[in-house]
Amino acid sequence: DTGVSQDPRHKITKRGQNVTFRCDPISEHNRLYWYRQTLGQGPEFLTYFQNEAQLEKSRLLSDRFSAERPKGSFSTLEIQRTEQGDSAMYLCASSPLVPGQDRNIQYFGAGTRLSVL
Amino acid sequence: QKEVEQNSGPLSVPEGAIASLNCTYSDRGSQSFFWYRQYSGKSPELIMFIYSNGDKEDGRFTAQLNKASQYVSLLIRDSQPSDSATYLCAGYDRGSTLGRLYFGRGTQLTVWP
Repeated sequence: DTGVSQDPRHKITKRGQNVTFRCDPISEHNRLYWYRQTLGQGPEFLTYFQNEAQLEKSRLLSDRFSAERPKGSFSTLEIQRTEQGDSAMYLCASSPLVPGQDRNIQYFGAGTRLSVL
Repeated sequence: QKEVEQNSGPLSVPEGAIASLNCTYSDRGSQSFFWYRQYSGKSPELIMFIYSNGDKEDGRFTAQLNKASQYVSLLIRDSQPSDSATYLCAGYDRGSTLGRLYFGRGTQLTVWP
């Protein structure tokens, strides 16, 4: 396992359509994070999981967004009724279950770039 | 709201020079900081992390943390054109359940040959 894997890499959709992204974290990383990054900005936190439990959601995550991690392994992020403002890079990261502050280190996947037309 | 401020640049240095990237943070309680490098259109790649006051060196990279001044920096020695990228400074949010990262906007670095 070489890193965090995200699929698809690019997604073009029409406004109003639903989209779903997948993230496979690094093996044995029990924490998984979703971020969103728009042009010229740093990544912004959306939500995260410890195993299958979703522990926190940002106010950026409107009701149209839902994330799951049903078996504590891969995660999906779904956006319903997409809007042009949803166009961004969606990044997934994972971190290891280790003692100390090294557990705070997050490794990012390649991201899914969403374009809503 | 916890914030990280970075000079967006662009910062331009000649090949072989030292590039100095800086950020300040708002949360005095934050203890862990990270520098990520991001090439255009790519995802952030972790290059350094620092938890303690002082300097931490790794190859051509040195991270510096001054908690009293709430200041983090990254020095890149012997800069190479391949170092040209956006550098993101991030702090670890202790106040969140698992610790999300809060990022600055990034500093764009160009190393010219």
